[in-house]
Parts: sequence; C-alpha cells; structure tokens
Amino acid sequence: GENVEQHPSTLSVQEGDSAVIKCTYSDSASNYFPWYKQELGKRPQLIIDIRSNVGEKKDQRIAVTLNKTAKHFSLHITETQPEDSAVYFCAASAGSGAGSYQLTFGKGTKLSVIP
Amino acid sequence: DSGVTQTPKHLITATGQRVTLRCSPRSGDLSVYWYQQSLDQGLQFLIQYYNGEERAKGNILERFSAQQFPDLHSELNLSSLELGDSALYFCASSVFTGLDTEAFFGQGTRLTVV
Repeated sequence: GENVEQHPSTLSVQEGDSAVIKCTYSDSASNYFPWYKQELGKRPQLIIDIRSNVGEKKDQRIAVTLNKTAKHFSLHITETQPEDSAVYFCAASAGSGAGSYQLTFGKGTKLSVIP
Repeated sequence: DSGVTQTPKHLITATGQRVTLRCSPRSGDLSVYWYQQSLDQGLQFLIQYYNGEERAKGNILERFSAQQFPDLHSELNLSSLELGDSALYFCASSVFTGLDTEAFFGQGTRLTVV
C-alpha cells in the first residue's frame, strides 16, 4: 500500500519568514495530494491540494509543488503569521475505481510561528 | 462546519467494554472513512466504506469493526477496549467523481478508556 513520509516533524519560524514542509510517497499510481491543517483540538481541514497533472499550485500565501518523477511534494507558506501555527498533514490518494481509493496521511508537522 | 456529524463528542469507558461511534456524512457523500489519532501520532487510516460496501482496510484491529447503513451513516464498533485505544476518532466523507476526492472531517469523538 501507499506510504507517505513527512518532514520535519516540528518546525519553528519567526513571524514573516517562510515555512516549507516536505512529503514523499511510494505509490506511483497516486494522483491526488491534499494538505490539511489541524488546529489544537479541532478537525483537520483542507487548505490546498494538487493533482498529478499539475506541477505547482498557489493560493495567496500557500503554495504546493509536486515532482512526480521523484515522488515528492512540498507545502510552502510565505509571510507566516501566528495563526498559521498548527499541525499540517500531507496525504496521497490513488483512485482505482468508483469509491476505491483512500487517503494515506503523513505523520504531521507541528508548525510554530513565533511573534 | 464541514457537514460531517460525529456523536458522541466525548466518551469515557472502562477497559473491556464495548462502544459505538456514529458518523453522518455530508449530504450526497457516498464514501466514509474512519481514522484514529493518538497523542503525538498522525492520522491512522482504519477503514473506508463506499455506498454501504467496505472498500479499503487499513490498520484496523480485529476488535474493531464498522459498517455503513443504507442511509449512508456509519458506525465504528470498538470492543474489548484497552487503555491504548484511548484516542481521537475521526470520520471523514467524500464524494468520488473521478477527480474530486477531497475528504471532509467531522469534529471527532474523543475516547478515553480508564
């Protein structure tokens, strides 16, 4: 099955600096790569996603890049703010038929933005 | 609000007991996933149902079982509970259209086994 590795497990940055979180996946059939943000005690929420036919996607201060050859994808947060402090999860999904897919998550990165 | 409803929000029970966690997916979503999140652990995939049928199985213990009913709500049954089963259990749902696979999470059920 799919295996997703995520690094680093913890990350501290100064407010205004950039943060980068990296993930690798094992299943070359994976074609959907979402990123979720989980604030303390709350549910994970999708912040951005990318599909295998796209190399990069941006949404304001957040961007995700995908390298299918190397099987890795990254989350970039620019101009970090204290409210960006949370745990971020990457995930990979491969569809093999109607409903026959699952999201495999990385172990998460705890991001702390220091004011 | 994601539209995914989980009940109860909190559950405290003793070792050896059995509990049932309930999930109502978003309207129109056919897929339901169950995940376990222990302290300092990531999201561990347990099981997925699609339109009433089991579609994928992850690291789910034999003491755990799940089902999805005709109205698409799902239940996760945990039996012979152990202290190590204490965790936050999330349900997520999605609609599969071939490209759109975003999963929406419920608020979770926090299970404490004492």
